[in-house]
Amino acid sequence: DGGITQSPKYLFRKEGQNVTLSCEQNLNHDAMYWYRQDPGQGLRLIYYSQIVNDFQKGDIAEGYSVSREKKESFPLTVTSAQKNPTAFYLCASMRVGANSNQPQHFGDGTRLSIL
Amino acid sequence: QKEVEQNSGPLSVPEGAIASLNCTYSDRGSQSFFWYRQYSGKSPELIMSIYSNGDKEDGRFTAQLNKASQYVSLLIRDSQPSDSATYLCAVGTGGSYIPTFGRGTSLIVHP
Repeated sequence: DGGITQSPKYLFRKEGQNVTLSCEQNLNHDAMYWYRQDPGQGLRLIYYSQIVNDFQKGDIAEGYSVSREKKESFPLTVTSAQKNPTAFYLCASMRVGANSNQPQHFGDGTRLSIL
Repeated sequence: QKEVEQNSGPLSVPEGAIASLNCTYSDRGSQSFFWYRQYSGKSPELIMSIYSNGDKEDGRFTAQLNKASQYVSLLIRDSQPSDSATYLCAVGTGGSYIPTFGRGTSLIVHP
């Protein structure tokens, strides 16, 4: 079955530590995205990538970094510069075709907390 | 600035009733419209896509699109307690690969 796998499901970060959230998809989608969701809030875009080896900052990129070395993978690193990292992190992917009118599909999410 | 507006709710309906969820958007160039359901603590799940004016039905769900008035709605017939969730509206614009999400409407279906 095709889908998006995020791991781990829960993650705890110590003060001053960088942590990496994994996102892998086998849908053969070109575009991948990272969102942050805080309780009772909407989705906020952190980073996105439309093709391998290229990615763009979203609305709240400060304190985060990404890489896109493979089409299937788009890991997100939450650095120590992100002072309020506690949130639900969602990875999404989307097929890019002749038109961009495709829906995004989401992984199950990673819940990050500070120790 | 592209905006997608939803009433945050909660919208409370009795079991068996029709739940009507609304979404308005600001960008007249919008071409694709999506409804996602998000249960508490879970990720969004795509339930409907609509691209043309009019109604699109899928089981108990009907999406309605009116581009002239810039709104899209989701009707849930015969609402069940299991429909209780937050419903997110997302709008896409041709040429952009970043949809704009509304903040969601919380739906509560009570027995």
